[in-house]
Amino acid sequence: DTAVSQTPKYLVTQMGNDKSIKCEQNLGHDTMYWYKQDSKKFLKIMFSYNNKELIINETVPNRFSPKSPDKAHLNLHINSLELGDSAVYFCASSQGAGGQEQYFGPGTRLTVT
Amino acid sequence: AQTVTQSQPEMSVQEAETVTLSCTYDTSESDYYLFWYKQPPSRQMILVIRQEAYKQQNATENRFSVNFQKAAKSFSLKISDSQLGDAAMYFCAYRSYSGGGADGLTFGKGTHLIIQP
Repeated sequence: DTAVSQTPKYLVTQMGNDKSIKCEQNLGHDTMYWYKQDSKKFLKIMFSYNNKELIINETVPNRFSPKSPDKAHLNLHINSLELGDSAVYFCASSQGAGGQEQYFGPGTRLTVT
Repeated sequence: AQTVTQSQPEMSVQEAETVTLSCTYDTSESDYYLFWYKQPPSRQMILVIRQEAYKQQNATENRFSVNFQKAAKSFSLKISDSQLGDAAMYFCAYRSYSGGGADGLTFGKGTHLIIQP
């Protein structure tokens, strides 16, 4: 069984469109995250959700909005897509406090043309 | 804010030999966690090893071990008996202990490891 899944794995769209990426985890974790990996492979945290509350927002443009319908899902909505949004987006999850590892999804490669 | 620095953009090693990847970090915290993640061409992020800052003993996982020097804020990864399957990007990552489990990871820029057959 896949622990953290994302859909779609590839997404090609035009500038100005609105798109969503879905993430689901079946690990029973209480915290989920979104990371962005740019073309130089640099990974940066975008958001985290703990018990359906937004915990971190790392100066991400407000065109990006995470939505968590329940503890197992954290979707990423992106409005008015720009060329600079092209990247790989990773969803991850972890359980509670402490040093538990974050389990990553397979990533979604977003290409904006 | 914490920062993580990987000074080796690329490393190359012969199969079956040993290689060490460097990582330094900057933090004012005393409790935190450090990780090494591996990202093969499949782009899946895979945890290689984890170190708690309060533990003096260096973590080991089979052929992978770390040299954790808290005072020097250094966290290097040693891969013994390198295998072709070890070829990947390796990321060093930091996570604060405070704030519970909601803290995201702060990553270094990665080291591309090449294994020569």
